[in-house]
Amino acid sequence: EPEVTQTPSHQVTQMGQEVILRCVPISNHLYFYWYRQILGQKVEFLVSFYNNEISEKSEIFDDQFSVERPDGSNFTLKIRSTKLEDSAMYFCASSGVLAANNSPLHFGNGTRLTVT
Amino acid sequence: TQLLEQSPQFLSIQEGENLTVYCNSSSVFSSLQWYRQEPGEGPVLLVTVVTGGEVKKLKRLTFQFGDARKDSSLHITAAQTGDTGLYLCAGVPSSDAGNMLTFGGGTRLMVKP
Repeated sequence: EPEVTQTPSHQVTQMGQEVILRCVPISNHLYFYWYRQILGQKVEFLVSFYNNEISEKSEIFDDQFSVERPDGSNFTLKIRSTKLEDSAMYFCASSGVLAANNSPLHFGNGTRLTVT
Repeated sequence: TQLLEQSPQFLSIQEGENLTVYCNSSSVFSSLQWYRQEPGEGPVLLVTVVTGGEVKKLKRLTFQFGDARKDSSLHITAAQTGDTGLYLCAGVPSSDAGNMLTFGGGTRLMVKP
């Protein structure tokens, strides 16, 4: 069964550094998402992406964050200048149709980002 | 206040017991999804409930969507150790024109042998 893959599985970075988290969504999916989960807390929506542009973003997704689909397969999340509070599991997800239309999201196994 | 409140937050039971976890909201949802998340992995969809009053069964798991489409429950019969995990409900409110799938805080279930 096709799956969403994320790399790296664990990223350690120093405060103020830039990080890029990478995702390969399911190949025929059109909608892509990033979520994060701070340890012990709920899964929080960051951003959705469709047709090469952001379709929706949450308050968490401020100017430090950006997303890109640089080629036909990768979907990346960049954090420009990491802060301690950015430490979390970051999950990429994709879906064939809109999440609002009852479409399930397929999640990757996440990248654990640790900011020191 | 969270859009989707899940209860209980933690549940520890013995293998063979039955349990019910709840997902409640003051908002109406066109559908609710249930996911299970195991440590070190992303959430995996279990089921989507769409119609008010709908009941869906997945082996020993029974999902119900409230008549008013504001709440849902998950009942597990004769729990097994393999049922251990974090159970999450998620949905997009009917009043929301967007596409932001919002998750509840989850119920962390531990089934002991």
